[in-house]
Amino acid sequence: EVVMTQSPLSLPVTLGQPASISCRSSQSLVSSDGDTYLNWFQQRPGQSPRRLIYKVSNRDSGVPDRFSGSGSGTDFTLKISRVEAEDVGVYYCMQDKQWPYTFGQGTKLEIK
Amino acid sequence: QVQLVQSGAEVKKPGASVKVSCKISGYTFTRDYMHWVRQAPGQGLEWMGVINPSGTSTNYAQKFQGRVTMTRDTSTSTLYMEVSSLRSEDTAVYYCARDHLDNWGQGTLVTVSS
Repeated sequence: EVVMTQSPLSLPVTLGQPASISCRSSQSLVSSDGDTYLNWFQQRPGQSPRRLIYKVSNRDSGVPDRFSGSGSGTDFTLKISRVEAEDVGVYYCMQDKQWPYTFGQGTKLEIK
Repeated sequence: QVQLVQSGAEVKKPGASVKVSCKISGYTFTRDYMHWVRQAPGQGLEWMGVINPSGTSTNYAQKFQGRVTMTRDTSTSTLYMEVSSLRSEDTAVYYCARDHLDNWGQGTLVTVSS
């Protein structure tokens, strides 16, 4: 099983300021097809999770361009260029290279 | 657009079983693997397992093997997940999701309490 480790677990951010979340996997997420299977999800309070980013850096439809993903191999980052009030919630990284899919512990983003 | 609509909240006693449904619309149901994920109160996300497009094969997380059964009815585009021998630790919101978790249901709260 691939272990996913996020940091920080709590992230207080001032409105308009940038935010960054790190995610590390216990093994490489590069698949035999050459793609890297790392996703980022946002879960707003009381809502279902929503996928923001797939294959490290591809934004899902409707995701604002202030969200960006980067990284390779076992180290990945989600960045929000300017935090808005609607970004409050918990962010999870997840690998879908192999079953079982595994999630990071979650990072709670709040407004300072 | 793709929609996954789950069945309503359930309250069960320890030792009982629960079956949650997830009706899919807006795309070809038989095309994708489908997953179930759960979230205990105040906790993170936990992948439970996956069922293949035809419903002939499943893969469950080790901790759920023997207690979880995933099925799908292609005639009604509905996914099902049954958890047996419920215990208090199974109290959680259960989500269905399309392959690679790009679309999620609204969640079904299952409460296990005597």
